[in-house]
Amino acid sequence: EADIYQTPRYLVIGTGKKITLECSQTMGHDKMYWYQQDPGMELHLIHYSYGVNSTEKGDLSSESTVSRIRTEHFPLTLESARPSHTSQYLCASSDGQGEAGELFFGEGSRLTVL
Amino acid sequence: GQNIDQPTEMTATEGAIVQINCTYQTSGFNGLFWYQQHAGEAPTFLSYNVLDGLEEKGRFSSFLSRSKGYSYLLLKELQMKDSASYLCAVMDSNYQLIWGAGTKLIIKP
Repeated sequence: EADIYQTPRYLVIGTGKKITLECSQTMGHDKMYWYQQDPGMELHLIHYSYGVNSTEKGDLSSESTVSRIRTEHFPLTLESARPSHTSQYLCASSDGQGEAGELFFGEGSRLTVL
Repeated sequence: GQNIDQPTEMTATEGAIVQINCTYQTSGFNGLFWYQQHAGEAPTFLSYNVLDGLEEKGRFSSFLSRSKGYSYLLLKELQMKDSASYLCAVMDSNYQLIWGAGTKLIIKP
């Protein structure tokens, strides 16, 4: 069983609020990812990190930021939430390339912005 | 551009066999993954192919043809719990995963 945790699982907030979605893993994986997924749609990469103090932008990164101060922790922050941010956010980690590139996902954070 | 194509939805009968196809066009290739995702849950890893041929894992098998840009996931002896979305993803030359939109599989008794 994967040891990757996300909080909160569900969040309803108003437009303009600042929110941080937390993600922690206890597997010692260097690589961590944030994905956004709408129902029945593909996963879109928001941000990723290959190690401490390393962060890169994905396809949908322009309205959010991440940090990687510790190996196990990779929080995602939305500075000003909008209804278009309503979605499921999935955090994942992996420890390498090839088959070791298998991703372990957290249970997701379902965000609703009113 | 890069894209992954798979059918949107398939229906099969409990106990039967179903094949879910995936075709891809990517910048480079470093392997193809299949994930299972139950409604409202996170994806879980099913299989990985990097060389041509068939990989078998119990009731599930995955096939790859790199020259054709094609893979399939074969599910045998279908059970009701196999009702889920099946996601195809390709690792490109930068070791980034390109995801398909998933195939929703509906199992009927």
